[in-house]
This record gives sequence, structure tokens and C-alpha cells, in this order.
Amino acid sequence: GENVEQHPSTLSVQEGDSAVIKCTYSDSASNYFPWYKQELGKRPQLIIDIRSNVGEKKDQRIAVTLNKTAKHFSLHITETQPEDSAVYFCAAKDSGNTPLVFGKGTRLSVIA
Amino acid sequence: DARVTQTPRHKVTEMGQEVTMRCQPILGHNTVFWYRQTMMQGLELLAYFRNRAPLDDSGMPKDRFSAEMPDATLATLKIQPSEPRDSAVYFCASGQGGSSYNEQFFGPGTRLTVL
Repeated sequence: GENVEQHPSTLSVQEGDSAVIKCTYSDSASNYFPWYKQELGKRPQLIIDIRSNVGEKKDQRIAVTLNKTAKHFSLHITETQPEDSAVYFCAAKDSGNTPLVFGKGTRLSVIA
Repeated sequence: DARVTQTPRHKVTEMGQEVTMRCQPILGHNTVFWYRQTMMQGLELLAYFRNRAPLDDSGMPKDRFSAEMPDATLATLKIQPSEPRDSAVYFCASGQGGSSYNEQFFGPGTRLTVL
């Protein structure tokens, strides 16, 4: 089955700097890669996703890149703000009925 | 704004007691997932259903956990008997199956503490 590794587990950045979180996956059949943000005490919420037929996707200050050959994908947050502080989860799945497989999460702290 | 709802939001119980957690998926969603979140293990998939039928419950300790969908608007997760190691936040999520790319929407979670 699919296995998703996520690094780093914690990340501290100064406000205004960029943050990068990386994930690797094991199943070459995986074709959907979402990222979820979970604020303290709240539910995980989808912030961006990418499908295997594209290499990069951007939405304002966040972007995701995918390298299918190397089986890794990354989340990039530019111009970080204190409200970006949260736990971020990557996930992967293939087509069909299989559920998302989540990474262990990255706790991002943006220091003002 | 349709959302997944879960009850109770918090539950404190004593070891050995039965715990029942409930989830109402978003209307029209045919896939329901149960996750357990702890600091050490992150988000663990316990079980999931499609069209009310269980597809996979291999993540669940079978001797004490059970998951059901009595109808399309209600999913339940029961623990009997509960143990202190079951203390965690339990999330329900729903989605529209049939496509690889459908978002999973999470409920607010049930924070369970077993003393």
C-alpha cells in the first residue's frame, strides 16, 4: 500500500520568509496529492491540491510542486504570516476506492 | 455552507465504559471516513464506508472498536470497553466517491479522554 513520508516535523520561520514542506510517496499509481492545514483545536482543511498531470500549481502565496519521477511533492508558502502557523498534512491517493494516505504532519511556526 | 458534524465534541469517561461517537456527513456524500489523531501517530485511518458499506476497517482494533452506518445521514464509532490508550481526537470525514480527486471534508472532531 501507499506510504507517505513528510519532512520536517517542525519548522520555524520568521514572518515574511518562505516555508517549504516536503513529502515523498511510495506508490507510483498515486495521482492525487492534497495538502491540508490544521489550526490548533480545529479540523484539517484542504488548502491546495495537485493532480499527476501537472507539475506545479499556485494559489496566491501557496504553491505545490510535484515530481512524479522522484515521487515527491512539496508545499511552498511565501511571505509567511503569523496566521500561517498551523500543522500541515500532505496526502496521496490513487484512483479508485482507496482513501487518502496522510503524512505525519509538519508544525509550522511563523515568528513575528 | 454544508459541513460534517460530530457529536459529542468532548467526552471524558472512565476506563471500561462504552463510548459512542456520531457523525453526520455532508448531504449527498457517499463516502465516510473515521480517523484517529494523536500527537505520536498523526492521522490514522480507522475505517471507511462507501454507500454505507464498510470498505476497509483494518486500521481499527476489532476487539473493542466497531463502526457502522445505520443510514446515509449517520455514522457511528463505538469503543467498548474503552482504555486510556484510546484517548485521542476522533475525526469523521466525508466525500463524494467515484473519482480520484474528490476532497475529503473533515468534521470538528470528538476529543476523547479515557481516565
